[in-house]
Amino acid sequence: AQTVTQSQPEMSVQEAETVTLSCTYDTSESDYYLFWYKQPPSRQMILVIRQEAYKQQNATENRFSVNFQKAAKSFSLKISDSQLGDAAMYFCAYMGTQGGSEKLVFGKGTKLTVNP
Amino acid sequence: GAGVSQSPRYKVAKRGQDVALRCDPISGHVSLFWYQQALGQGPEFLTYFQNEAQLDKSGLPSDRFFAERPEGSVSTLKIQRTQQEDSAVYLCASSPSLAGGRDTGELFFGEGSRLTVL
Repeated sequence: AQTVTQSQPEMSVQEAETVTLSCTYDTSESDYYLFWYKQPPSRQMILVIRQEAYKQQNATENRFSVNFQKAAKSFSLKISDSQLGDAAMYFCAYMGTQGGSEKLVFGKGTKLTVNP
Repeated sequence: GAGVSQSPRYKVAKRGQDVALRCDPISGHVSLFWYQQALGQGPEFLTYFQNEAQLDKSGLPSDRFFAERPEGSVSTLKIQRTQQEDSAVYLCASSPSLAGGRDTGELFFGEGSRLTVL
């Protein structure tokens, strides 16, 4: 079974600085998708960024980028120019491509605090 | 509405009571998921519907949990004889994609139903 590990329960960053959230995963599949989701307090989960495993190029969405290391099974999220609105729980998630594997497997999350 | 709507937002039940949680997905979305999120944890998969067909219910923790989506739109998650360990936020998510959103990343979550079992 696939597993996702987020080793940093909490992280903090100064406003306008850069922070990196770590994620590792375990799978025997060669093709899959990886996601970072943001969950603000009492708000719904929203997609931050998505990476397809067969693409070597790291995904980027404005201030958010990933460092995808397929061989190491690592998928970290970098947030540049951090803003107060970035404060939230961040979840790394895995989705396979084999039949019946449309479900997301989530890590336990990292709570990000942004200090003014 | 524009997003995934879940009701009730908060539910307090006495141990042994039955509860029903409702999810209104975005209109036209074929895929619908239920996840359980315990306090301080990441969401865990419960079940998946493609239209009215329940294609995967491998995550349902016991036979006390039952989900349905009879007309391929609204879904209900029912928990019978609730136990304290059922206390969690129950998240519903929907996608216009048959592949659960993995091809486009378009998986939309509701705000969840927080269940507290006393």
